[in-house]
Amino acid sequence: GQSLEQPSEVTAVEGAIVQINCTYQTSGFYGLSWYQQHDGGAPTFLSYNALDGLEETGRFSSFLSRSDSYGYLLLQELQMKDSASYFCAAGGGRLYFGRGTQLTVWP
Amino acid sequence: NAGVTQTPKFQVLKTGQSMTLQCAQDMNHEYMSWYRQDPGMGLRLIHYSVGAGITDQGEVPNGYNVSRSTTEDFPLRLLSAAPSQTSVYFCASSYSRGGDGGELFFGEGSRLTVL
Repeated sequence: GQSLEQPSEVTAVEGAIVQINCTYQTSGFYGLSWYQQHDGGAPTFLSYNALDGLEETGRFSSFLSRSDSYGYLLLQELQMKDSASYFCAAGGGRLYFGRGTQLTVWP
Repeated sequence: NAGVTQTPKFQVLKTGQSMTLQCAQDMNHEYMSWYRQDPGMGLRLIHYSVGAGITDQGEVPNGYNVSRSTTEDFPLRLLSAAPSQTSVYFCASSYSRGGDGGELFFGEGSRLTVL
């Protein structure tokens, strides 16, 4: 089977740094993706890690450790607009999603 | 480019009725998939396709049928709607196989209520 575990919710204040962890177990694995979804909207792609290590895209970074079946999304300089749900996703040929982490950013 | 287009955006059905959710993409993507999203459950894969004429089941395929006669279209059919199928449905497409790094492009979603 497959499972992707991530915390259900995280809160932080504007300007802070937050890390959302994801542990995975999938039948087939190419890499770990992250998606953002605002209330009422569709998920949008944030990042993808195929190899171990850190990938940085502006204020967002994503990390993968294949040996630990673990990854995280790091959000820096948090802004109110970052309040959303964040999903990790993985698979090999078909893409499975975690249940999502609701991030609330307070002023 | 319209991207991924889903219709209808909202639908109310009675138990036992059938319907088709339409999905079309204009990006020439080979990989297409359907997800349902329920509160606290994340996105669960219903069916997916890696190209015209090829479909396969995901995590929660029961009660749903799909077909892929063209690269562009991937309709999802509810054969006999049940209240448990009340959900938000997302169609998504990608240029690469699911999970291997290709960005998954999502439609706006179809909100289905089964009474």
